[in-house]
Amino acid sequence: AQKITQTQPGMFVQEKEAVTLDCTYDTSDPSYGLFWYKQPSSGEMIFLIYQGSYDQQNATEGRYSLNFQKARKSANLVISASQLGDSAMYFCAMSSPGGANNLFFGTGTRLTVIP
Amino acid sequence: DAMVIQNPRYQVTQFGKPVTLSCSQTLNHNVMYWYQQKSSQAPKLLFHYYDKDFNNEADTPDNFQSRRPNTSFCFLDIRSPGLGDAAMYLCATRGSITDTQYFGPGTRLTVL
Repeated sequence: AQKITQTQPGMFVQEKEAVTLDCTYDTSDPSYGLFWYKQPSSGEMIFLIYQGSYDQQNATEGRYSLNFQKARKSANLVISASQLGDSAMYFCAMSSPGGANNLFFGTGTRLTVIP
Repeated sequence: DAMVIQNPRYQVTQFGKPVTLSCSQTLNHNVMYWYQQKSSQAPKLLFHYYDKDFNNEADTPDNFQSRRPNTSFCFLDIRSPGLGDAAMYLCATRGSITDTQYFGPGTRLTVL
């Protein structure tokens, strides 16, 4: 069975600084996908970044990068140059293989950016 | 812009009064999902459609039903809402050759 763990219920970061949000996962499947989503207070779940289990390079999307350490089963999100608009809930998720590709979510980390 | 749309954004219903939430997409994705998210919790998958094939999660209550009349639209019917069904309901879609799910803005349901 798949499991996603986010151990940081809340994080604070100074504006313009970088922050790392932790995510570890557990699965016995050799093929899987790892995702990060941002959920502002409005409720919409916004896709940020994706890492496939066979990808050799760490994924990057603008100010977001995913630090993928396969042997440690970790997929931490790094946000560089934090902005006030980054304040939100962040969810790490993993997809299961097969036709449905269902997502398993972690419990989330609430990030607050301080001016 | 291609997107996932949910209507209404906010829905208030009375205890036991049936309610329908709608989701539409312009992405032409094969797969559509419905999630329930209660306050301060992670989203929980209720069911999904792969094209016309309906797949119910084992722990989804019978009170929740879904319809997908065509590729673009998917509906969530709650036959007799209880106070415990108050939540954010999120619709998501995925193309058949990608892993990424794209979410709509959600419908926040209040049960009085």
